[in-house]
Amino acid sequence: SAVISQKPSRDICQRGTSLTIQCQVDSQVTMMFWYRQQPGQSLTLIATANQGSEATYESGFVIDKFPISRPNLTFSTLTVSNMSPEDSSIYLCSVEGLAGGSNTGELFFGEGSRLTVL
Amino acid sequence: DAKTTQPTSMDCAEGRAANLPCNHSTISGNEYVYWYRQIHSQGPQYIIHGLKNNETNEMASLIITEDRKSSTLILPHATLRDTAVYYCIVRVRYSGGGADGLTFGKGTHLIIQP
Repeated sequence: SAVISQKPSRDICQRGTSLTIQCQVDSQVTMMFWYRQQPGQSLTLIATANQGSEATYESGFVIDKFPISRPNLTFSTLTVSNMSPEDSSIYLCSVEGLAGGSNTGELFFGEGSRLTVL
Repeated sequence: DAKTTQPTSMDCAEGRAANLPCNHSTISGNEYVYWYRQIHSQGPQYIIHGLKNNETNEMASLIITEDRKSSTLILPHATLRDTAVYYCIVRVRYSGGGADGLTFGKGTHLIIQP
């Protein structure tokens, strides 16, 4: 299994500011995933972060708005830039479990970072 | 990833088996069926996954039809703590460290009644 810690767990931010969310995993993983869950909605994949290369963004998400860092195999950050009230969501980090270098097929999620933009 | 279709909501009495259906009629041969659940205000939790054989673990059983176009997640003895949104997802499973993210649908809101 993988244990994922996210910081902050929640924050209230002002319009126009930026917030960086951190994701720490207790084991080395190749791919890390960032999701957004808007109020009352399902999860939407924002981007995939691969260590040593630029993140791959899903349709509707761009690097200028959601820059991602992946400095090593256990850590990633997602920044929500120039925030507006529409960015109020839960942001979740996820990884796939690895055992002996092979994928287990099981994805683990952090508890999420609840962001409210005023 | 192939799309899945699930009922929006279901009720089940506490102590009874909860059977959650999922249709995935366009599933590809290399796509697995995954089930996750999300209890209110928590991150999604993995339950089970399978390719074509039925699977069972300590949480649930997964029954996949022979043509793989549908599946059923079974919680054998539902408790109040099983109230959650259950997501059925089909996804290619990689072997050597690469992976794709999950495409979540709207899921089924399962409510366990006392």
